[in-house]
Amino acid sequence: GDSVTQMEGPVTLSEEAFLTINCTYTATGYPSLFWYVQYPGEGLQLLLKATKADDKGSNKGFEATYRKETTSFHLEKGSVQVSDSAVYFCALISNAGNMLTFGGGTRLMVKP
Amino acid sequence: DTAVSQTPKYLVTQMGNDKSIKCEQNLGHDTMYWYKQDSKKFLKIMFSYNNKELIINETVPNRFSPKSPDKAHLNLHINSLELGDSAVYFCASSQVDSSNSPLHFGNGTRLTVT
Repeated sequence: GDSVTQMEGPVTLSEEAFLTINCTYTATGYPSLFWYVQYPGEGLQLLLKATKADDKGSNKGFEATYRKETTSFHLEKGSVQVSDSAVYFCALISNAGNMLTFGGGTRLMVKP
Repeated sequence: DTAVSQTPKYLVTQMGNDKSIKCEQNLGHDTMYWYKQDSKKFLKIMFSYNNKELIINETVPNRFSPKSPDKAHLNLHINSLELGDSAVYFCASSQVDSSNSPLHFGNGTRLTVT
């Protein structure tokens, strides 16, 4: 079945540091890939998405590129802020179904 | 305008009680979901409804019963609550005719069973 694997957290960075959160997936066919963010006390919000190989999703300074050859969708940001502190979830929807499969989440803590 | 709203935000109750969580979406989506998030933030789908019909029912105890009176509402009723039911429950919705349709989540209901 489909699965998503993320690096375990927490990831602790200083403000303005470079961020990478790794995500790899297993799925049949060509899934659509997503990053969701969950701020404390809130529900998940879509951060960015990519629907086919080599697409780059971007939003709020975050980027992720759909790499079919490595089945990866790593999240990056060049300069994190304290306000980026949250839990980040990688997810996919396979083209065989409509159910979103989530990774385990990675907590990011950014210190001033 | 709240897209997906769920009530209550917090629910504290004793073992053995029966409780309900309500969810409503005003996005016109045709599919709604319930997810359970444990203390380690792991998300697991529980149910999915499309146009008021159940399409996904993961291995969830039958003490959990979803009810969808119309496609804008999906309520979750839980009988005989147990300590292990303590978690945050998220409602979500999407338009299922697109395989890349993102989910829109509510802000969650934190259930504590004592």
